Amino acid sequence: GAGVSQSPSNKVTEKGKDVELRCDPISGHTALYWYRQRLGQGLEFLIYFQGNSAPDKSGLPSDRFSAERTGESVSTLTIQRTQQEDSAVYLCASSFRLAGPNTGELFFGEGSRLTVL
Amino acid sequence: SQKIEQNSEALNIQEGKTATLTCNYTNYSPAYLQWYRQDPGRGPVFLLLIRENEKEKRKERLKVTFDTTLKQSLFHITASQPADSATYLCARNNAGNMLTFGGGTRLMVKP
Repeated sequence: GAGVSQSPSNKVTEKGKDVELRCDPISGHTALYWYRQRLGQGLEFLIYFQGNSAPDKSGLPSDRFSAERTGESVSTLTIQRTQQEDSAVYLCASSFRLAGPNTGELFFGEGSRLTVL
Repeated sequence: SQKIEQNSEALNIQEGKTATLTCNYTNYSPAYLQWYRQDPGRGPVFLLLIRENEKEKRKERLKVTFDTTLKQSLFHITASQPADSATYLCARNNAGNMLTFGGGTRLMVKP
């Protein structure tokens, strides 16, 4: 596709359930990011994948959160045993890391809105 | 950690005026700062990037400055329009291209 695609766009789940959120980055983009945005707040960094390097997981808030990426394509963010404080919009972004006038520019998806009841 | 701060209060201005938003960072200067626009229910959209060695960057009605002494970036929208109403996010790079975002400032342009 032309842009970053995320699914599902909306997810309502019960506390304690596991959820999986999917991100399809722009083809050819080597870097992929996950951010969390609570209502009315800024973007909170979760995890960053760059090519074949080990991911930067420093933003993951707890061991209930994990993410994987297959090569330079799809990524899945998994939240286990969801809690009400996990309710937020989860944004995925990708970028083309090589040098250029806009190095590091992120292209965002529309997000997955998660509501934990 | 490398923090980046924006005024959390909404900025209300009259159409036609210049809007100025502020972004302050801590510790060492980033290699570059980026500004994004976010509309309600949408993902952020990239607007401008300014590098550490650039004092000013322009794009149409937008202007960004980077002051490494004040550890501050200013984002200006000249001749503002109601369609400019949105939340504007500032971001700095950390290691590699990992970006840390500020909390954003909501801009409201009244006709």
